[in-house]
Amino acid sequence: QSALTQPRSVTGSPGQSVTISCTGTNSDVGRYYSVSWYQQHPGKPPKLIIYDVDKWPSGVPDRFSGSKSGNTASLTISGLQPEDEADYYCCSYAGTYIPYLFGTGTNVAVL
Amino acid sequence: VQLEQSGAEVRKPGESLKISCTNSGYGSNNYWLGWVRQMPGKGLEWVALISLAGSESRISPSFQGRVTISVDQSTNTAYLQWSSLQASDTAMYYCARRPSITASPFDYWGHGSLVTVSS
Repeated sequence: QSALTQPRSVTGSPGQSVTISCTGTNSDVGRYYSVSWYQQHPGKPPKLIIYDVDKWPSGVPDRFSGSKSGNTASLTISGLQPEDEADYYCCSYAGTYIPYLFGTGTNVAVL
Repeated sequence: VQLEQSGAEVRKPGESLKISCTNSGYGSNNYWLGWVRQMPGKGLEWVALISLAGSESRISPSFQGRVTISVDQSTNTAYLQWSSLQASDTAMYYCARRPSITASPFDYWGHGSLVTVSS
């Protein structure tokens, strides 16, 4: 099973909104409501910021929001802040034997 | 929540290696532990997953035959093992915790174990 497809990079100015897409198939993103998003700063481990498409773990600001339509999930960062500059990865459940299928990753730059 | 991973390792091609991850804290056996590979400058790839409460495990088809995952239930420790390393195994290996509910996300991550394979 191939990695989910994300844009390589997205750029925004402080205060703006950016949206990252995550395209899969009807065997993963399109089939399950189990899409999560992870934020990774350089040299750090990933951090869960969205799960089950649109839920927030405790402590994650609601500037981050998730959605899904068909085989594509999306992460929107509203009110972009300098500390949001990082790599973002989507991840979908794809069944019992492939419980985690990651996306290709998107670098968010804040100009 | 603490996920304690073993330290950086340097090995030669063909050598074996076993890295570890311990989940400590209350109720720490009610989880699964997974391994995620990140090659230098690249993205995240799921490697394997194992239950801390039993022997149930999963290995990604991409890594099947290359790695072995095991668990010591008495210490809530998961292990990832190679019998014959290759240079292409050079990567950071993150341990991550998943609640014992199907399709749960990885909610906490360790700081990573850097594996370098070089002659």
